Amino acid sequence: ILNVEQSPQSLHVQEGDSTNFTCSFPSSNFYALHWYRWETAKSPEALFVMTLNGDEKKKGRISATLNTKEGYSYLYIKGSQPEDSATYLCAFWNNYGQNFVFGPGTRLSVLP
Amino acid sequence: KAGVTQTPRYLIKTRGQQVTLSCSPISGHRSVSWYQQTPGQGLQFLFEYFSETQRNKGNFPGRFSGRQFSNSRSEMNVSTLELGDSALYLCASSLRGRENTEAFFGQGTRLTVV
Repeated sequence: ILNVEQSPQSLHVQEGDSTNFTCSFPSSNFYALHWYRWETAKSPEALFVMTLNGDEKKKGRISATLNTKEGYSYLYIKGSQPEDSATYLCAFWNNYGQNFVFGPGTRLSVLP
Repeated sequence: KAGVTQTPRYLIKTRGQQVTLSCSPISGHRSVSWYQQTPGQGLQFLFEYFSETQRNKGNFPGRFSGRQFSNSRSEMNVSTLELGDSALYLCASSLRGRENTEAFFGQGTRLTVV
């Protein structure tokens, strides 16, 4: 059974703070890792598709890194804003089952 | 470009009944995946359809089934509903449903079984 973990489970930060969270996944048989942002009452929205060890991707104030050898990815948010409040999900591609295995998510609340 | 549309948004059913949920993917997308989210659980993969064929299936009982039509619209059916089937059901569409293709999600159908 593939296990994808995310930490912390939830996080409260002040507006303007920078923050980061972790996604841990099996380091063997890596194909891809996706990050999604899921705001309340909306659909999960893709942030990054990461496929290569050492990948660094950036979208505005949000960036992500990938270490496939040790099985983790970090998501960074610089200068958090209230609109960044959401649940951030990572999803690991299970090539055996040919499907994505999602982590439980990190719930971020940015306080004004 | 229109997004992924799921209908209905909310549904209340009684134990033992059956339910059908619908998902219209983004135009041109051939892969539709279905997920279940229950409180305290992450998104659990149900199944994926590609070009009208079920390509992959998660670890759910046979009461959960689906199909895909020639226009890529997909339906998911749950028979003999149980209280534990109460969940948010999400569908996601993508061009090819592979590891390096971005998935686009609908807003989900919230099913309550009473």
